[in-house]
Amino acid sequence: AQSVAQPEDQVNVAEGNPLTVKCTYSVSGNPYLFWYVQYPNRGLQFLLKYITGDNLVKGSYGFEAEFNKSQTSFHLKKPSALVSDSALYFCAVTPMNRDDKIIFGKGTRLHILP
Amino acid sequence: NAGVTQTPKFQVLKTGQSMTLQCAQDMNHEYMSWYRQDPGMGLRLIHYSVGAGITDQGEVPNGYNVSRSTTEDFPLRLLSAAPSQTSVYFCASSYQGLNTGELFFGEGSRLTVL
Repeated sequence: AQSVAQPEDQVNVAEGNPLTVKCTYSVSGNPYLFWYVQYPNRGLQFLLKYITGDNLVKGSYGFEAEFNKSQTSFHLKKPSALVSDSALYFCAVTPMNRDDKIIFGKGTRLHILP
Repeated sequence: NAGVTQTPKFQVLKTGQSMTLQCAQDMNHEYMSWYRQDPGMGLRLIHYSVGAGITDQGEVPNGYNVSRSTTEDFPLRLLSAAPSQTSVYFCASSYQGLNTGELFFGEGSRLTVL
């Protein structure tokens, strides 16, 4: 079965420190990978995506993600966390042979401590 | 720019009542979808549509109906509300297939079924 796993329900990081939010996936064929962010009482917002090419993808708000095919991972990273980065983060994947369904992880709540 | 508009934002129903959650987008997107978000469950796809006149079931379609008579609108109907349908519902649209496109989300509709 195709799936996305976000192994951490919550991640706490001190402001100014680097942050990583983990994501692993299981999908047949080459995946297309996404990160979305949800602020309180809002809908999800697109952060970045990996389709093909360079394994390091840069997105909005200084975030980046690294695609690792051998480890089937797509971890979200930021060199220096801000308090305003506190939110719920979702990893998502679409199988290469399907462009009508996207599978979301359960989400990781990121707390940036002042 | 209105984007994706959902109404109502909040609704309380009694068991057995029916209602329709409205979703409209003004971006001429072909793809539209409905998700429900429950704590610890991430987002689960209810129904989706790849264009006017075309709908299909997602992961959790039971108890919900959809139709897509125009490109702009994609209403979600609850036929006979049950407490298990208490959730936050999100409508999302995309301008192209999900392999390369990104989803644009509405602000959500919080439904409570008593």
